[in-house]
Amino acid sequence: SAVISQKPSRDICQRGTSLTIQCQVDSQVTMMFWYRQQPGQSLTLIATANQGSEATYESGFVIDKFPISRPNLTFSTLTVSNMSPEDSSIYLCSVERTGASTDTQYFGPGTRLTVL
Amino acid sequence: RKEVEQDPGPFNVPEGATVAFNCTYSNSASQSFFWYRQDCRKEPKLLMSVYSSGNEDGRFTAQLNRASQYISLLIRDSKLSDSATYLCVVNAEAGTYKYIFGTGTRLKVLA
Repeated sequence: SAVISQKPSRDICQRGTSLTIQCQVDSQVTMMFWYRQQPGQSLTLIATANQGSEATYESGFVIDKFPISRPNLTFSTLTVSNMSPEDSSIYLCSVERTGASTDTQYFGPGTRLTVL
Repeated sequence: RKEVEQDPGPFNVPEGATVAFNCTYSNSASQSFFWYRQDCRKEPKLLMSVYSSGNEDGRFTAQLNRASQYISLLIRDSKLSDSATYLCVVNAEAGTYKYIFGTGTRLKVLA
C-alpha cells in the first residue's frame, strides 16, 4: 500500500475564491490521480498527473478550472479555481501501486470542501 | 446504462448473517475488477481484487462472471464492523489506469 496525506483536510471557502489542495506520498510514484466525490455520489476522476508532463483531464474537467501541478514523484497539487457552491465536494488524490497480479489504487484521506 | 451499476441498498442484516452484493459492468473490454470499502466520511480502501477464478480472503469471497459481466462479493458471518459502503470498481479499458466506480452498496450490520 502507500501512505498518502492531504492538506487541508477540510475548508469552507467563499464563492469566487480558489483553494489549492496538496497531496504527499511516502514513496515515489509515477501516476497520481485526482478524484471528486460529490455528496451521495461515487468517485469521478478529474485528471491524471504525471511528473514532468501536463495533467490529462477527463471529459467535463478543464485545466483553467482545476490546474494541477506535479513537481516531483511524491507530490501533487490540485487547485479548485473561481469556486461556486457546485464545487462543494470531497477531493481525493490516489496513487497506483503494482500488486502481485494487478495494479491497484490507494487513496488519500480526502479534502472536504464547502463553498458558500 | 451506467458503466458500473450496483444496488444502492441499504442492506440491513443481523450479526452473523451472510450477505451478497452484485455489480454489473458495461464494458466487455474491462480487465481489472475490485471491491473497495468506504466508511462514512473516509476515503475508499481496497478490500480485494477480483480474479477470474474467484478469490477468498477470510470471510470475504469475490467472484467474476465475464460472460454476464458481473462481479459479486459475499460476506459470511457479518460483523458490526463490516457496516460500510462497498464500491465496485472496474477499469475502463484493458491496460488503462482509468477506474470507473459504482455508486456503492450500503451495508448495515445490526446487533
